[in-house]
Amino acid sequence: GEDVEQSLFLSVREGDSSVINCTYTDSSSTYLYWYKQEPGAGLQLLTYIFSNMDMKQDQRLTVLLNKKDKHLSLRIADTQTGDSAIYFCAEKEDNFNKFYFGSGTKLNVKP
Amino acid sequence: DVKVTQSSRYLVKRTGEKVFLECVQDMDHENMFWYRQDPGLGLRLIYFSYDVKMKEKGDIPEGYSVSREKKERFSLILESASTNQTSMYLCASSLIPGQGTQPQHFGDGTRLSIL
Repeated sequence: GEDVEQSLFLSVREGDSSVINCTYTDSSSTYLYWYKQEPGAGLQLLTYIFSNMDMKQDQRLTVLLNKKDKHLSLRIADTQTGDSAIYFCAEKEDNFNKFYFGSGTKLNVKP
Repeated sequence: DVKVTQSSRYLVKRTGEKVFLECVQDMDHENMFWYRQDPGLGLRLIYFSYDVKMKEKGDIPEGYSVSREKKERFSLILESASTNQTSMYLCASSLIPGQGTQPQHFGDGTRLSIL
């Protein structure tokens, strides 16, 4: 199967920017997604990027895609304590049903 | 709004019991998925279904079966529960390939404990 890798932990101070990184192996991925999971809950779709894009911005969230290096990042500006959660990246090929998820990055925001 | 509903948030069962986890979606999605989530292991796909009565094994199907008799409902069955099946179970649904951005939409999860 495909390999999607993320670092397990990230700790930042409130008000700083957070950058969560993800690498993937499948060069034919069409869509790449970021999900957020709060304690005891399911995964909530945050944003996605199509593989022919380099960047997507949505309010405090910026997604950067380096397709050559197969590297995806999620930047959260002005990080708040409510952003503390586990963040998953996922990739998918357009013609297939399966998603491939990373193991998740636990973001801890210190006041 | 998109809605995936799992029947129980918390469930406690005994070793050897047959356990049913139910998932219902109201988005008319063709695809439905069952994952389990364990600390440090991320999400692992157990089974998925791309149509009524159709199913495919995921990465860890052993000890599990599924049923999809209606489009909106996808059930996960633990044939004879064991303690190593204690986990968080997540259900998801999505459109079929070629229909837009096709993200998976998740339920809130069922935390299952097998004693």
